[in-house]
Amino acid sequence: NAGVTQTPKFQVLKTGQSMTLQCAQDMNHNSMYWYRQDPGMGLRLIYYSASEGTTDKGEVPNGYNVSRLNKREFSLRLESAAPSQTSVYFCASTPTSYNEQFFGPGTRLTVL
Amino acid sequence: QKEVEQNSGPLSVPEGAIASLNCTYSDRVSQSFFWYRQYSGKSPELIMSIYSNGDKEDGRFTAQLNKASQYVSLLIRDSQPSDSATYLCASRGRDDKIIFGKGTRLHILP
Repeated sequence: NAGVTQTPKFQVLKTGQSMTLQCAQDMNHNSMYWYRQDPGMGLRLIYYSASEGTTDKGEVPNGYNVSRLNKREFSLRLESAAPSQTSVYFCASTPTSYNEQFFGPGTRLTVL
Repeated sequence: QKEVEQNSGPLSVPEGAIASLNCTYSDRVSQSFFWYRQYSGKSPELIMSIYSNGDKEDGRFTAQLNKASQYVSLLIRDSQPSDSATYLCASRGRDDKIIFGKGTRLHILP
């Protein structure tokens, strides 16, 4: 079991470029989440997917889109990257309601 | 906007003492609560989960939940230098959203 995997681990973009952060879990979990973490800001929810085929906005969705491709995969897309999107991005999954989250290793993104 | 509030710290505690971390939440219908530990540059890892009022103990850790006061706490007994980290409180609502506080930095003094 690899758990939750994220690719890439590091990425540098120029303002205006686009990219997709990939997340996959092999634990057959229903719910998946994308967070960003900035210094002193804790984890802020960008989007989440309670089940395959559904996605919902979190606290800070502007500038992002997501796709729940299947039960395993949940991707996060930046269509036109901005310096304000420089952050560490974490993907997480949970099996069912009331259960704790399992986190991926994170993607460190820098937008110049 | 649903919120989870924590004191950012740093909280300095002598080795061997009890560390007390606190958290309040605004969403009255939140169903479950979690404490995560995060070392610098690493992913959060679950320390405790609690779903009903009262205390829950696991080794040196005790989580306390008071839904009437919308208050969650984490006690760490016999604090060790390896407990130095940022502790994140999180709540989960009926909509499946999991919201985190900004975290409390804990420093255990040898």
